[in-house]
Amino acid sequence: GQNIDQPTEMTATEGAIVQINCTYQTSGFNGLFWYQQHAGEAPTFLSYNVLDGLEEKGRFSSFLSRSKGYSYLLLKELQMKDSASYLCAVRADRGSTLGRLYFGRGTQLTVWP
Amino acid sequence: SAVISQKPSRDICQRGTSLTIQCQVDSQVTMMFWYRQQPGQSLTLIATANQGSEATYESGFVIDKFPISRPNLTFSTLTVSNMSPEDSSIYLCSVEAGTGNTIYFGEGSWLTVV
Repeated sequence: GQNIDQPTEMTATEGAIVQINCTYQTSGFNGLFWYQQHAGEAPTFLSYNVLDGLEEKGRFSSFLSRSKGYSYLLLKELQMKDSASYLCAVRADRGSTLGRLYFGRGTQLTVWP
Repeated sequence: SAVISQKPSRDICQRGTSLTIQCQVDSQVTMMFWYRQQPGQSLTLIATANQGSEATYESGFVIDKFPISRPNLTFSTLTVSNMSPEDSSIYLCSVEAGTGNTIYFGEGSWLTVV
């Protein structure tokens, strides 16, 4: 089966840096995605890693180590609006189901003033 | 990127009825995916819809309960049949599009079954 693990909850203060970890065990691998989901809204795309290393996009960065089955999402200069659930998802390449994602349960981040 | 529109955005449905959710994409895509997100849970794939062929359903989901249509490369529908309160969820349409094969989601359809 496919297994995606991430912490359930995290808290941080405004202006701080937070790292959300994700570990995965899947039968195939063709990329790892991070999504942000505010309460009552659909997930929005944050980042995509398919090769090892760090991808930086403004205040958000995402890291991948395929050999360790590990990724993290780094959020810098936290703002109150960053309070949301962060979803880690793996695309497992399984022939006709290319594009299909396996999701972790999400990490609920609360940013305090 | 891809712009994905879903209808309805929200609905309150009576037990035992059926509701069809529409998903429209602004570009042609090979595969479309339907996910469900139950309250407090993460996303679970219901089925994969290819144009011109039967949808492929995940374990625990069956065609009689969630019939899917895919008449062309920009449109799909998901029907939730004979609804019960357990079907109260967000239903999300997803496609792979753009550079880097990024996967995008529609705005979601919030269904409450009473």
